[in-house]
Amino acid sequence: DTAVSQTPKYLVTQMGNDKSIKCEQNLGHDTMYWYKQDSKKFLKIMFSYNNKELIINETVPNRFSPKSPDKAHLNLHINSLELGDSAVYFCASSEASGITQYFGPGTRLTVL
Amino acid sequence: GQNIDQPTEMTATEGAIVQINCTYQTSGFNGLFWYQQHAGEAPTFLSYNVLDGLEEKGRFSSFLSRSKGYSYLLLKELQMKDSASYLCAARDTDKLIFGTGTRLQVFP
Repeated sequence: DTAVSQTPKYLVTQMGNDKSIKCEQNLGHDTMYWYKQDSKKFLKIMFSYNNKELIINETVPNRFSPKSPDKAHLNLHINSLELGDSAVYFCASSEASGITQYFGPGTRLTVL
Repeated sequence: GQNIDQPTEMTATEGAIVQINCTYQTSGFNGLFWYQQHAGEAPTFLSYNVLDGLEEKGRFSSFLSRSKGYSYLLLKELQMKDSASYLCAARDTDKLIFGTGTRLQVFP
């Protein structure tokens, strides 16, 4: 069974479109995260949620809106996609905030 | 401010030992993580240090000096499958701050 799963794995879309990435974890963790990894492989936190509540919001444009319907799911919606949004987006989860995090397989987003 | 520094690339030979260094600067430091990331895959957890000293786990060991803001990851008996990026991450209060990663290439 996959611990942290994301869909889709690849996403190719046009500038200006709106898209969503879904994340689910079956580890029973309370905290979930979204990271962006750019072309230079720099992994940077975007958001974290603890029990459906937003804990961390790291200076991310408000075109990005995370939503947590329950503690096992954290989805990322992106409005008005821009070329600079092209990256790999990783979801992660942990038992408590900041302790060992388990990453999903990543979603490679390409904006044309 | 927050800053994590590690070498961009390293090379080593199969069977050898390699040490990947990391220096960090964070305001609310409370732990140092190392993750391994193979090309096109997710980062996977390798080690966690919160106290000074060496933590050994099989072929991999990690060291932390809080006073020096310094950590290293030691990989022994290198295998070809160890070719990957190694990410140093400092826990700052409740979030992880990652370095840019060290790409390690192991040659036969």
